Amino acid sequence: AQTVTQSQPEMSVQEAETVTLSCTYDTSENNYYLFWYKQPPSRQMILVIRQEAYKQQNATENRFSVNFQKAAKSFSLKISDSQLGDTAMYFCAFMKPLDFGNEKLTFGTGTRLTIIP
Amino acid sequence: KAGVTQTPRYLIKTRGQQVTLSCSPISGHRSVSWYQQTPGQGLQFLFEYFSETQRNKGNFPGRFSGRQFSNSRSEMNVSTLELGDSALYLCASSLMESSYNSPLHFGNGTRLTVT
Repeated sequence: AQTVTQSQPEMSVQEAETVTLSCTYDTSENNYYLFWYKQPPSRQMILVIRQEAYKQQNATENRFSVNFQKAAKSFSLKISDSQLGDTAMYFCAFMKPLDFGNEKLTFGTGTRLTIIP
Repeated sequence: KAGVTQTPRYLIKTRGQQVTLSCSPISGHRSVSWYQQTPGQGLQFLFEYFSETQRNKGNFPGRFSGRQFSNSRSEMNVSTLELGDSALYLCASSLMESSYNSPLHFGNGTRLTVT
């Protein structure tokens, strides 16, 4: 079974600074997908960024980027120029395609990020 | 386009009762997944439906069941409620069969409290 570990339960950073959230995972699979989801107080989970394991290039979405280290099984999220709206719980998630269409997400325990004005 | 709608937003039930939660996916989405979120266990996968068929099920007891209707709306049912069933239940939908190529869109969840 896959496991996802987020070792930072809480983090805080000043507005406009850069912050990195850590995530490690354990799997014997070679092909899989990794995600970062954000859950603000509204409770809705929002996809931030995703990465395919067979792609060596790190994914980037505007101010959000990842550092994917496949050998180390590490998938960290970097938020640049942090904004107050980035305050939320951040979940790292793993997906192994069981077979086409039968995927499920395995989530980490989350990191509560607070952006300080 | 309206997002994923879950009803009700809050629910309080007593041990031993049963409960039904509803999820309306984004229009055109045919895959619906359910997740349970608790402080102790985090987010755990319950089940996934596509075109009215359950394709995948998590490690939950048989008290947890679900179904999907022809209009893609989904319901999940929990029978003989236990205190440990208190949780936020999240529904997510995706357009295509593969939820990687068509990422999951989550609703705001139903907060179930069992007393």
